[in-house]
Order: sequence, then C-alpha cells, then structure tokens
Amino acid sequence: KQEVTQIPAALSVPEGENLVLNCSFTDSAIYNLQWFRQDPGKGLTSLLLIQSSQREQTSGRLNASLDKSSGRSTLYIAASQPGDSATYLCAANTDKLIFGTGTRLQVFP
Amino acid sequence: NAGVMQNPRHLVRRRGQEARLRCSPMKGHSHVYWYRQLPEEGLKFMVYLQKENIIDESGMPKERFSAEFPKEGPSILRIQQVVRGDSAAYFCASKAGTNTEAFFGQGTRLTVV
Repeated sequence: KQEVTQIPAALSVPEGENLVLNCSFTDSAIYNLQWFRQDPGKGLTSLLLIQSSQREQTSGRLNASLDKSSGRSTLYIAASQPGDSATYLCAANTDKLIFGTGTRLQVFP
Repeated sequence: NAGVMQNPRHLVRRRGQEARLRCSPMKGHSHVYWYRQLPEEGLKFMVYLQKENIIDESGMPKERFSAEFPKEGPSILRIQQVVRGDSAAYFCASKAGTNTEAFFGQGTRLTVV
C-alpha cells in the first residue's frame, strides 16, 4: 500500500529565502509524481509533473527532483515571495494519486 | 478548454437527504477520480472511474456512497442519507491517461446540518 509523507508539516520564512520541501513514498512502482499548490478554500493547482524516468523538472522559480529508487522527491522554491504562501502537496501516481498531508508554507514580507 | 468543472460549489443538506455532486472532466479526458478532504486533513482517494466503468472503488465507503461516469454527461458522486460526518470538500480530478498529468476541479463543499 502506497504511503506518502511530507516534511516539514509547516514552514514560515521571510521573503527571499530559498526553500526545500520534502516528499517520500513507500512504493517505488509509480508512473510519475506530481506537485500541487492549494490555497485556503480552493482547489488544487498543478505545479510540476515528473515522470518516473525523469530526474527533475523546472518551471520558473520551482524545481522538482525525483529519486524513484529511494522513494523521494524534493520541491525547491527559489527566492520565495509572499504570494507563494499556500499548502504544497505531493502525490504519487500508481493508477490513482496518493497524497501526502502537505506542507503549509507562509512567506512573510 | 474550461478545465475540470464541478457543481455545485457549495451544497447544504439536512441529515437523511441525498447529495449529488457533479464533475465534468477536461475535454478529451476519460479518467475521473474523486477525493474527499476533511478540514485540516489531506486528500483521501475515494474512487477511480473510466467511461461506464468503475476501475477502483477501494476508498469509498461501502454503504450510502456510489459513483458513476456514464457514456454521456458528467460523473456523479451520490451520497444517500447524509450524516454530519459526510461534511467535507469533495474534489474531482481528470486525466487523459494513466500516466498523464491530473487536473482538479474547484471542489464541492458539502455541509450537512
């Protein structure tokens, strides 16, 4: 049974810092891993998708890496901004998406 | 492409009533997933459907809950005889294929009074 864990559970940082969010999964037989952002009371916005054959993906200030053999993914946020404040979720895709409980990020000015 | 559309956005039901939640996947997507999110908790998988077929319903309660994705029209998540514990946000996602990107709707927030 796939289990996904995210650390830290919460993070509060000043604007401008570079951040690392961690995601681990127990079953390495995944198709891909997807990172999402969720704002309070809203739906999920897809940030990055990494296929199981890939090592990393980049979109703007976001970079996600995947080490399938060790069951880990990392989301790197460069030069954080207050607008980045949200909950960040990772999901391992094995036919269905299994989610971690998220990292709640607050970036203050 | 309008994205994944869910309606209603908010739904209030009295205990014992039925709730029907609708999800229209993105154009060209034939895989639909339903998730439930309780306050301050993560998203829990409920059911995975393709057109006219339930592929995986391992996360759905055995009683009162059902889901369908007919050949024509939206996917429906139906909750019969709702109880207060059913109050949650219900999210739908769609994909074009098994290993493609998933897109989520804005959710339906169900409140049982």
